[in-house]
Amino acid sequence: DIQMTQSPSSLSASVGDRVTITCRASQGIRNSLAWYQQKPGKAPKLLLYDASRLESGVPSRFSGSGSGTDYTLIISGLQPEDFATYYCQQYYGFPRTFGQGTKVEI
Amino acid sequence: EVQLLESGGGLVQSGGSLRLSCVASGFTFNNYGMNWVRQAPGKGLEWVTGINRNGGNIYYADSVKGRFTFSRDNSKNILSLQMNSLRVEDTAVYYCAKDRANYPAIDSWGQGTLVAVSS
Repeated sequence: DIQMTQSPSSLSASVGDRVTITCRASQGIRNSLAWYQQKPGKAPKLLLYDASRLESGVPSRFSGSGSGTDYTLIISGLQPEDFATYYCQQYYGFPRTFGQGTKVEI
Repeated sequence: EVQLLESGGGLVQSGGSLRLSCVASGFTFNNYGMNWVRQAPGKGLEWVTGINRNGGNIYYADSVKGRFTFSRDNSKNILSLQMNSLRVEDTAVYYCAKDRANYPAIDSWGQGTLVAVSS
C-alpha cells in the first residue's frame, strides 16, 4: 500500500498569510494526487487534482505543485473561510490512501 | 446537480451486520467510478472501497477486506455496502463519493451516514 505522510499535522496562521502543507508518498505516484478541504460537520470538498489542477469554482489562491513522491498545497493569502482541515489523497493505486490531515487554525 | 443520498446507518453490536445504500442522481451514474470513505469520530478520512463504472472491478482497504462487500446497480443508480462482522473500530461516518471524470479524485460526496458499533 502507498502511505501518505502529511505535514504539519496542525498550524496556526493569520488572515493574509501564505500557508504551505506538504504530502509525501511512500513511492512515486506520478502526480495522481488530490487535495481536499473539510470543515467541521461537513463532507470534504475537492480543491485540486492531478497535483496542480484547480477544481472548478475553487479560488485561485489555492495552488498545488510537486512530482514523484513530494507534493505541496499552498494557500496564498489565507481567508477566514479557509480555516479548516486539509487532506491529500493518492489515486495512483489501490487502496487510495489519504494523508492524516492538516488542521489550519487561527 | 449531483446528489448522493446515503441511508442505512445506525447502532449495531460488535459482530453484527449492516447494509448501507447510496442513491445517486444528477449525473450519468454508469459513467463514473464510486467509493465509500469513512471518518471515525475526531479522526481523519479513510478510503474504504471503490468500484469501477460497470462493477467489474472492486477494491477494498485491508481493514475491511473479507468483511465488506461493495456493489452497484446501474439500472437503479444505487450503491450498496454490505458490512459484516462489524467491529468497534468500524464506528464512523460513512460517505458515498463519486470519482471525477478522467482523474479519479473524488469530486462529489454525500452527507454521510453514521455507523456506530458497540461492544
